[in-house]
Amino acid sequence: DAGVIQSPRHEVTEMGQEVTLRCKPISGHDYLFWYRQTMMRGLELLIYFNNNVPIDDSGMPEDRFSAKMPNASFSTLKIQPSEPRDSAVYFCASSLGTAGGETGELFFGEGSRLTVL
Amino acid sequence: AQSVAQPEDQVNVAEGNPLTVKCTYSVSGNPYLFWYVQYPNRGLQFLLKYITGDNLVKGSYGFEAEFNKSQTSFHLKKPSALVSDSALYFCAVSVYSSASKIIFGSGTRLSIRP
Repeated sequence: DAGVIQSPRHEVTEMGQEVTLRCKPISGHDYLFWYRQTMMRGLELLIYFNNNVPIDDSGMPEDRFSAKMPNASFSTLKIQPSEPRDSAVYFCASSLGTAGGETGELFFGEGSRLTVL
Repeated sequence: AQSVAQPEDQVNVAEGNPLTVKCTYSVSGNPYLFWYVQYPNRGLQFLLKYITGDNLVKGSYGFEAEFNKSQTSFHLKKPSALVSDSALYFCAVSVYSSASKIIFGSGTRLSIRP
């Protein structure tokens, strides 16, 4: 399996522009997570999905952020309009739920490094 | 609310010596605990997890971690450090009632000197 695939790997944009980050989870995984990593705030959970349904989006910073999962093999994280403080590495991760109800190990993508000027 | 703390930003160890990376947690209910490692410009990789059972959990690359309920700790250990163990290590926690919501600590940078 190719693992979790994220695109783009690097994005440089100007303040006010729309940014769309993409993620393809591992086939068969039923959980998908979006995390943001910065030096100041560490690794923050933004939102996660189970079977394509958003379960908890309490970590989404504000209305400028939105995430969708139209099918089991694709998810997007959109920022509109972008601001310099959104500069971070955004990680997508997927996992397979267990019979006990908890998630298994998370498999992370390589991340999308976003720079907003 | 669940939280996890890694009190050390950096740990420095000589190659061949034992290493410990500390983690404490705070949850309401029974915790699920994890350790992940991140190499430069890469995503996080799973090392080990504690769900239930033996308090000593063995994981990848010779790492192990000990769950201590009374001290609410889950320290990562390795008997003999390698230079290649140098990386950023994250402790993470979730709880049964929301087992999918995995919260990460701030990370500890482990540096192994030859």
